[in-house]
Amino acid sequence: KNEVEQSPQNLTAQEGEFITINCSYSVGISALHWLQQHPGGGIVSLFMLSSGKKKHGRLIATINIQEKHSSLHITASHPRDSAVYICAVRSNGNQFYFGTGTSLTVIP
Amino acid sequence: DSGVTQTPKHLITATGQRVTLRCSPRSGDLSVYWYQQSLDQGLQFLIQYYNGEERAKGNILERFSAQQFPDLHSELNLSSLELGDSALYFCASSGGGGNEQFFGPGTRLTVL
Repeated sequence: KNEVEQSPQNLTAQEGEFITINCSYSVGISALHWLQQHPGGGIVSLFMLSSGKKKHGRLIATINIQEKHSSLHITASHPRDSAVYICAVRSNGNQFYFGTGTSLTVIP
Repeated sequence: DSGVTQTPKHLITATGQRVTLRCSPRSGDLSVYWYQQSLDQGLQFLIQYYNGEERAKGNILERFSAQQFPDLHSELNLSSLELGDSALYFCASSGGGGNEQFFGPGTRLTVL
């Protein structure tokens, strides 16, 4: 069983649509990270959160510690948002676990 | 540009060989993390160093070792290479153990 599960695995959206990617985890955590990986391979950290909600521009990340669940929302999606989005957690035992990623394609 | 540098960008070598991957963290960052990303296993945490000391160990094979030097750069040594070691190896740095991480561009290792 994977410690981090993401859904959906693949997502195609029309430009302008509201997008949600979900992440569930099974271990106790000190932090949860949302990462973005573009086709070239580079990884960018979008959010690190341990409670509540964070917002950067059109991106919003929420976490519910009791339910062990996080969501990443993209408002007014744009083709440049096309990438793989990866959920990762840092466990209380100082281990990092990664989801398998959600491949997002936004069509103009 | 994250401020984290990794060399080399690409590395092609043969089975049984040994290679060294290098990472320079962002200025002022004390923590360095190493990750492996392969097609079949996704991203995996290998090891973390903080100010020269090993802080956390993940799925790092015994054939692999790492260290962080006094100037805070880090090296990941991979020995007795196997075909399955072919992967992207990322380094990331952060200001402390619990802070946001900044990723380097990665080193793509191909073992033939």
